[in-house]
Amino acid sequence: GNSVTQMEGPVTLSEEAFLTINCTYTATGYPSLFWYVQYPGEGLQLLLKATKADDKGSNKGFEATYRKETTSFHLEKGSVQVSDSAVYFCALSDEVYTGNQFYFGTGTSLTVIP
Amino acid sequence: SAVISQKPSRDICQRGTSLTIQCQVDSQVTMMFWYRQQPGQSLTLIATANQGSEATYESGFVIDKFPISRPNLTFSTLTVSNMSPEDSSIYLCSVVVGGITDTQYFGPGTRLTVL
Repeated sequence: GNSVTQMEGPVTLSEEAFLTINCTYTATGYPSLFWYVQYPGEGLQLLLKATKADDKGSNKGFEATYRKETTSFHLEKGSVQVSDSAVYFCALSDEVYTGNQFYFGTGTSLTVIP
Repeated sequence: SAVISQKPSRDICQRGTSLTIQCQVDSQVTMMFWYRQQPGQSLTLIATANQGSEATYESGFVIDKFPISRPNLTFSTLTVSNMSPEDSSIYLCSVVVGGITDTQYFGPGTRLTVL
């Protein structure tokens, strides 16, 4: 079946540090992959996505590359800011005959300190 | 994308009562989902609500406890019935927009506390 495994947190970094949050997946088909971000007290926002192997999603300085050979979609940012403090969810969407099914990781809490 | 609003944004309720959460979308969408996010946890899908058909509930969730209405393509409600403290969660609605069937957009959530 389909699933998403995400690096456990919490993660605490100093401002301008490099960020990696690991995400691996299992899927029966050819899923699309996503990173969502949830800022304190808010709902989830789409951060970036990739729909096929070797695609790179990017937004707000964050990047993730769809690696089919390693079934991974790790989130990276070269220099984090305090405003990046949030919970990050890796997710996949797999097309089934009734539509799409969505699977979320457990979330990784990131705190960036000045 | 889609702009989604939810009401109420938060509520504190007494055990045994019911709360209806509204979800309004700024465009017509076919697929709408209701999730629960318990404190410090990931999202758990409660049900899928497609307009014109009965809601489809995930394992562990039943219509008597979480009745859903989907009267049109821009609106849905989720009722949390006969609440207990274990129902304290954030409830999120989400939609899939237009032809981009693999991307969900989420509302801001309803933070429910049951005393």
